[in-house]
Parts: sequence; structure tokens; C-alpha cells
Amino acid sequence: KAGVTQTPRYLIKTRGQQVTLSCSPISGHRSVSWYQQTPGQGLQFLFEYFSETQRNKGNFPGRFSGRQFSNSRSEMNVSTLELGDSALYLCASSTGLATSGELFFGEGSRLTVL
Amino acid sequence: SQQGEEDPQALSIQEGENATMNCSYKTSINNLQWYRQNSGRGLVHLILIRSNEREKHSGRLRVTLDTSKKSSSLLITASRAADTASYFCATDPNQAGTALIFGKGTTLSVSS
Repeated sequence: KAGVTQTPRYLIKTRGQQVTLSCSPISGHRSVSWYQQTPGQGLQFLFEYFSETQRNKGNFPGRFSGRQFSNSRSEMNVSTLELGDSALYLCASSTGLATSGELFFGEGSRLTVL
Repeated sequence: SQQGEEDPQALSIQEGENATMNCSYKTSINNLQWYRQNSGRGLVHLILIRSNEREKHSGRLRVTLDTSKKSSSLLITASRAADTASYFCATDPNQAGTALIFGKGTTLSVSS
């Protein structure tokens, strides 16, 4: 069974640009969660989608948005990039809601904002 | 805000020694999980312990949970160089509409 796939793995953007990150969950998994990981703040929860509906949202500005498609694939978008958005963005999938059991993580998308 | 706080932040040991990491949290929980992350990679689930459980084992891993003290510990016995990684606890707060919350992790270095 294929694992969680995140694309792209690495990307470099400049301030003010926008970026879209993609996550393909494990087949059959209906929940996709997104986390931002930085050395200073650790893993910060962005949002969780379950069956195309946003279930939870973390404490991030409106520049961060996401969506989930009918095939459970998910995308997150960050608009008007700031230097502080440089981070490893991790996607995780699970069969049920993210809090109910094991999360399966992708390898992450490392974003550098110059 | 951080729910779980791991202690110590960093730990260096020799191969064959045991490694103990602790996690403290603030609110009541449904379950607590431990994850491992190799440098710059995704997280890998290690073990989940529910609030009504006190101890769980998985191979060389032993996890305890003390809900009265709001704390958990992860013990890795007979450590190997391959255990070098960051270890995170994650809590499922017993509150509607919340997500799995991760601590900042313990960085374990095992030297041969």
C-alpha cells in the first residue's frame, strides 16, 4: 500500500508570492491533517479535513487555506508569503478523525521564502 | 499553544543504554501518542496509549501514562544508533473540536 505522498518536496519562493502544496493520503483514508514545523515553534496544527469538510482549524492567519477533494487528496495554499512561512509542511492521513488513532505522515514539503 | 512538553530537550547516550523521555500535558486527554522523526523526514507513529491504560509495550518500547500527574514516559531499552531521532508526544485533548497537539520533542542521539 502506498504511503502518504506530498508534492513538491522542496520549493523556494519569494515574499509576496503564493504557494500550493499537495497531499495524497493512503488509499481509503478519509482524514487529512496539515502541520507546520519550524525549529522555534515545533509542530503547529494548521487544519484537518474529513470527507471534504474542514473539521478543525489551527491558529493561523487567513493567508493559509486548504481544501479536500472527493478522492481525499488535499491541497493547502499560502498566499502573500512572508519570511516566517519558511518551514516544513507535513501532511498526515488517517482512516477516521485525526484524534482517534494513528496518523500516517508524508515526508513533507520544505518551503523556503526569500 | 503547546499541550505536551517533552523533557529533556536533548539526550545523548551510548548504544546499549536505555533512554527515557518524559511528556507532561495540561488538560485531560482521551489518548496520548508517541512519534519518531528522523532528521527532516516525516513522523512515524510508535505507540498509542488510552487514558484508561497505565502501561503499554511494543518491542523495545515501554510507555507509561499517569493521568493524575498529567504525564507520560517513553522508555527505549537497549538503544541502537538507528534510534537516533527526535521523539514527540501528541495528545488528544478531551475537548470537542480540537486536534492532535504535538510537543516540541526530545532529540535523542545514540552513539556507537
